Amino acid sequence: SQKIEQNSEALNIQEGKTATLTCNYTNYSPAYLQWYRQDPGRGPVFLLLIRENEKEKRKERLKVTFDTTLKQSLFHITASQPADSATYLCALVNNAGNMLTFGGGTRLMVKP
Amino acid sequence: ETGVTQTPRHLVMGMTNKKSLKCEQHLGHNAMYWYKQSAKKPLELMFVYNFKEQTENNSVPSRFSPECPNSSHLFLHLHTLQPEDSALYLCASSQEGAVGETQYFGPGTRLLVL
Repeated sequence: SQKIEQNSEALNIQEGKTATLTCNYTNYSPAYLQWYRQDPGRGPVFLLLIRENEKEKRKERLKVTFDTTLKQSLFHITASQPADSATYLCALVNNAGNMLTFGGGTRLMVKP
Repeated sequence: ETGVTQTPRHLVMGMTNKKSLKCEQHLGHNAMYWYKQSAKKPLELMFVYNFKEQTENNSVPSRFSPECPNSSHLFLHLHTLQPEDSALYLCASSQEGAVGETQYFGPGTRLLVL
């Protein structure tokens, strides 16, 4: 079955630097992949969706790439700010095509 | 705010209690979902309702019983839970219930089973 791997260790970076988070999947390539942000004690919030025929997608300081050869998506936050500190989840459709499956998320800490 | 509300936000219950979680969405969506989020584990989909009909039950124990009286409201009835059921329970909605559609989450109910 499809497995989604995100680095479970927290990523600590300095304010102003670019944060890069990784989402790897093990099986077939999904038609699209989504990224969500989750703050402590809150539900995830949708950020970006990228389709398999799109190599890159941007939204303000956010950039997502999707490499179906490597079976990997990268999520970048440029000019990071302490307010970007949160857990970031990637999600994709499962094998059976009947539900969205989430990765375990990576916690990002941006230090001032 | 995402347009999805959940009550209560926090709940402590004993293993013999019966309680219900409530979710309401104000987005005009047709699909609603229950997820469980335990510490150190990914979000686990529990149930999916599409146009008030249950379309997915992801092998959830019968001590969890969902109810969807209309497209805007979703309940999760709890009875004889176990301590390992302690988790954050998240409700979400989406426009048409298409797989992979963007989902809008509520703030969750933090449940502690003693």
